[in-house]
Amino acid sequence: ETGVTQTPRHLVMGMTNKKSLKCEQHLGHNAMYWYKQSAKKPLELMFVYSLEERVENNSVPSRFSPECPNSSHLFLHLHTLQPEDSALYLCASSQVLGLEQFFGPGTRLTVL
Amino acid sequence: GQQLNQSPQSMFIQEGEDVSMNCTSSSIFNTWLWYKQDPGEGPVLLIALYKAGELTSNGRLTAQFGITRKDSFLNISASIPSDVGIYFCAGRALNNNDMRFGAGTRLTVKP
Repeated sequence: ETGVTQTPRHLVMGMTNKKSLKCEQHLGHNAMYWYKQSAKKPLELMFVYSLEERVENNSVPSRFSPECPNSSHLFLHLHTLQPEDSALYLCASSQVLGLEQFFGPGTRLTVL
Repeated sequence: GQQLNQSPQSMFIQEGEDVSMNCTSSSIFNTWLWYKQDPGEGPVLLIALYKAGELTSNGRLTAQFGITRKDSFLNISASIPSDVGIYFCAGRALNNNDMRFGAGTRLTVKP
C-alpha cells in the first residue's frame, strides 16, 4: 500500500445518517488535512492536524467532526448533513506543516 | 491575507499545441507547487519550486518560480489528450505554514 488512501470512494447518505470517512497515509508524514472540493469552487481547507493535534479548524460546522488517533490515520465523522455538503472530500498529508501535500483519491459524498 | 489568482480558468486547445498558465499572489511566497487533478481523483503533485528564478521540468511540463516571488508559471509542450484535467497552483508565504491553492485551470485537449 502506497501514498494516501481514502475509504469509501463513494458514499450516499440521508440527512439523518451518521457515517465516517477514513484516511490513511503510508508516507511517515506528521501532518494531515481534510479539504472539501465542491464543483467550480476552490479547495476549502477544513481541518489540519500536526502530530495528532488539531491546529486549524476553519469555521467548519459541528456536523463535521474530525479525529486523528495517530499520525497515520485521520477520520471525518459526519452526522445530520445537508444536501449542500455533497462534495468531494479530500485527505492530504505532508512531512511536516507547510511542506508539499500529497492527496488521497477522495470520497465522493452525496447527501440526499 | 494571501490570495492566489490562477489564470486562465479554462483552456480549449488542439492536440500538439503548447499550453501556458500562471498564478500570482499578493504576498511573497517561498514555495510554489503545481498539481494536476483527473476527474474523480485527488490532485497529484507535478512540480515543486523553492527558489526565486528556479526552472524545473517534469517531462513535457516546465514550471518556473517567478523572480518577484509573487508568481509562478506552468507550461505544457506538445499537449496530448491525457493532459486533460484541472491544474492547480499552490503556494506558501514567508513565515506561514498555510498552503494556499488557486482555483484551478481546466484544460481540454481536442484530438
